[in-house]
Amino acid sequence: GESVGLHLPTLSVQEGDNSIINCAYSNSASDYFIWYKQESGKGPQFIIDIRSNMDKRQGQRVTVLLNKTVKHLSLQIAATQPGDSAVYFCAENTGSGNTPLVFGKGTRLSVIA
Amino acid sequence: EAGVAQSPRYKIIEKRQSVAFWCNPISGHATLYWYQQILGQGPKLLIQFQNNGVVDDSQLPKDRFSAERLKGVDSTLKIQPAKLEDSAVYLCASSYSLDEKLFFGSGTQLSVL
Repeated sequence: GESVGLHLPTLSVQEGDNSIINCAYSNSASDYFIWYKQESGKGPQFIIDIRSNMDKRQGQRVTVLLNKTVKHLSLQIAATQPGDSAVYFCAENTGSGNTPLVFGKGTRLSVIA
Repeated sequence: EAGVAQSPRYKIIEKRQSVAFWCNPISGHATLYWYQQILGQGPKLLIQFQNNGVVDDSQLPKDRFSAERLKGVDSTLKIQPAKLEDSAVYLCASSYSLDEKLFFGSGTQLSVL
C-alpha cells in the first residue's frame, strides 16, 4: 500500500491566516520529499522540495518542515490567499535514482474570503 | 520554457474500445512518467522511462495497457480494451533526470461508459 498519507483530508482557513498541511510517511528510507499543488482540471504543480539532510526549507510564502524522527512532513503557507485554494499532495521517494515518487491522497485547502 | 504537453484533453469511450494518449515532455528531460489519477486520490505511477528505456512498469496492467517512447522524446500510452474502472485522469510528467522534481502536464480525462 501507499507509504505516504495525510492527517487531514480538508482544511478551511481565513484569508490572511497561515495554513499548515501535514503529511506522515512510513518509509524510513525515503530521503526526498516534494509538495505539489493541484487546482481543479490541472496537473500537479511543484511547490517546494526538501531532502533528508535538511529539516527546513523556505520558499516564497511557503515553508516545508521535515521531522525524520517521527516521519512527518508539513507545508506552511503564510498569509493564505484565495488563489491558494487547491488540493495539496506530499510525495516521497527513496532517492535511489530508479524509484518513483509515491503520492499521498491529498488535503483540500479552502480559503474563506 | 514550454511545459509538458498532453493530448487529447478529454476522451469519452465505451468499454472494450481502445484509446491512446500522447505526451511531449519538456525539452531536454530524459525521464518521462505516466501516472493515473482516480477522482479523489493521489496520482499513481503506471510507467517510468529513462530516455527510451523502461525503468519501472511494475504497476502497469500489462494485459490492457501499453506505453512506448521510441525515440526518447514523445510517448504514447494505450489502453486496449478499456474497462469502466479505467475512468481517470492520465497525467504525463517529466524530469531532467532520475531523482529530480517532476513537472506535470494538464492530463487527459478519460471517461469509460
